[in-house]
Amino acid sequence: ETGVTQTPRHLVMGMTNKKSLKCEQHLGHNAMYWYKQSAKKPLELMFVYSLEERVENNSVPSRFSPECPNSSHLFLHLHTLQPEDSALYLCASSRETGRGIETQYFGPGTRLLVL
Amino acid sequence: TQLLEQSPQFLSIQEGENLTVYCNSSSVFSSLQWYRQEPGEGPVLLVTVVTGGEVKKLKRLTFQFGDARKDSSLHITAAQTGDTGLYLCAGVLTDSWGKLQFGAGTQVVVTP
Repeated sequence: ETGVTQTPRHLVMGMTNKKSLKCEQHLGHNAMYWYKQSAKKPLELMFVYSLEERVENNSVPSRFSPECPNSSHLFLHLHTLQPEDSALYLCASSRETGRGIETQYFGPGTRLLVL
Repeated sequence: TQLLEQSPQFLSIQEGENLTVYCNSSSVFSSLQWYRQEPGEGPVLLVTVVTGGEVKKLKRLTFQFGDARKDSSLHITAAQTGDTGLYLCAGVLTDSWGKLQFGAGTQVVVTP
């Protein structure tokens, strides 16, 4: 138990569906991240929120839409996804102090399958 | 081309054997981290190394950061079945704000 929870743990959706992934951290952190993990590929950073403002968007397609309503919650809204979007989506959080190197704590991930 | 290359991609050994996993790059990192990820879970941080030539030990795991801060290795002595998992290295480039660059990982399987 890392203090970061994600729901749902598994999701199967069609290409025309709309769904949302949820992440919640109980660590008092002020930065949250979405990563995509595909088989045999490095984790890809998708979005970063620091103090509830988006500070990084790594050229992610617009069919992925993040939302950070407060420092404890992070959502990833999914719309008209493609089969190649099937992957493990990981949420992480950290404490940002301006010194750069802070440990990121990961949630268990949501395993997404797009049919 | 990946910024961090991990080798081997897959490693299967028996309990009691030793193993070494490598993480290499042509870039310089201000710090490098090793994570272990088990099935159905997210990565869990094992260690952070920040100084070139640094060696850190965590029970049977030994981590080394290269002198030039471009590479790292993880050595496991007398592996146990509980060491099974995906080992990921991740580094922070010297000119970045702290963004982690991940390798693709080494899948380690330790059999009884």
